[in-house]
Amino acid sequence: QITLKESGPTLVKPTQTLTLTCTYSGFSLSTSGEGVAWIRQPPGKALEWFALIYWSNDKRYSPPLKSRVTITKDTSKDQVVLTMTNMDPADTATYFCARVVQWGIFQVWGRGTLVTVSS
Amino acid sequence: DIQMTQSPSTLSASVGDRVNITCRASQNIINWLAWYQQQPGKAPKVLIYKASILESGVPSRFSGSKSATEFILTISSLQPEDFATYYCQQYNSFPYTFGQGTKLEIK
Repeated sequence: QITLKESGPTLVKPTQTLTLTCTYSGFSLSTSGEGVAWIRQPPGKALEWFALIYWSNDKRYSPPLKSRVTITKDTSKDQVVLTMTNMDPADTATYFCARVVQWGIFQVWGRGTLVTVSS
Repeated sequence: DIQMTQSPSTLSASVGDRVNITCRASQNIINWLAWYQQQPGKAPKVLIYKASILESGVPSRFSGSKSATEFILTISSLQPEDFATYYCQQYNSFPYTFGQGTKLEIK
């Protein structure tokens, strides 16, 4: 069974750096073809993909967030870590991680974690 | 960036109805399109990928197709658990993008 779970702070202050961890099981990010993505969803709004890392360590970012976001993997811990700098209230959203197959299909999702940016 | 436009934004229907949700891409994405269902307060779930391939475990009342200019998600006979929000997503090129969503409501 494939599962993913997001963890990290639920509240951050403006200008702070957010660090979220996605802990996965049931697949290996060392295996060719595998990937993990981050997608976020502001309250009441649509989904937005913004970061992805493949088994090869190829990393992709959404242009609007590229300067603020870093995605890394630790296959020894079965974790993917996301850091986002200079947080703003507009970054308030539920953050999901998802297993990526066939380069771009978000096949299995974590339950998501709501991050609120407020002073 | 490739813009994905869904229609309608909201759809009211009854149990047993057949419904179509459409998604149009601003550029050619060939067939690199997926459909997701999201229940309130839950994570999305993939239904269809590569425009028309049904994900394992998804009921056969869901289907995907492509016309000349748009992609279509069809639910052949609505069930109570199908009332949710649906998103299309292109994975032809980065940045991957989603449509704005279609909320399927009970009439």
